[in-house]
Amino acid sequence: DTEVTQTPKHLVMGMTNKKSLKCEQHMGHRAMYWYKQKAKKPPELMFVYSYEKLSINESVPSRFSPECPNSSLLNLHLHALQPEDSALYLCASSQVGSEQFFGPGTRLTVL
Amino acid sequence: QKEVEQNSGPLSVPEGAIASLNCTYSDRGSQSFFWYRQYSGKSPELIMSIYSNGDKEDGRFTAQLNKASQYVSLLIRDSQPSDSATYLCAVNKGKLTFGQGTILTVHP
Repeated sequence: DTEVTQTPKHLVMGMTNKKSLKCEQHMGHRAMYWYKQKAKKPPELMFVYSYEKLSINESVPSRFSPECPNSSLLNLHLHALQPEDSALYLCASSQVGSEQFFGPGTRLTVL
Repeated sequence: QKEVEQNSGPLSVPEGAIASLNCTYSDRGSQSFFWYRQYSGKSPELIMSIYSNGDKEDGRFTAQLNKASQYVSLLIRDSQPSDSATYLCAVNKGKLTFGQGTILTVHP
């Protein structure tokens, strides 16, 4: 299996909602990443997990809360988001220090 | 100076031509270099990785790396309309840093 999968594909939420994005890979990768991408911009790194431990948090607001339950799964918990948080959220995985493979992304709209 | 800079584009080439995409980076300690292709509304897809000076070829794609000049490029031979996309240069030094991307259009 050489895929990174993400669910849901699309998500619409209000500013008071709590929702979660999910990411899964079965390539045996030990590093997983969350990126945010706005239109016509490159992906921006949010979080990095290495060997299931959070290794990088790019000063992301606390309304985004990552979780890595095991080496194959990565979640991003969302709470009290703002309309400007609307974006494509990308998960990626890699061997530590190696090339990253991206999932298809979740298109998030915050109303 | 931006950490990773790409030629601003957009770049338009006729079908069958060679498309040349360029990227410079500022951190001399960078170890690995990648090219991603991103179609509109889709996620980035890795098309080339290069780790040492010189050329690396994969089908119609050739990546070139010159660490002394801090320069990495991607050549696409026999360009096809299906190559029309945004090409992202990415440099890895602990974490991946992307350039702003170059939009390539291949016209029939």
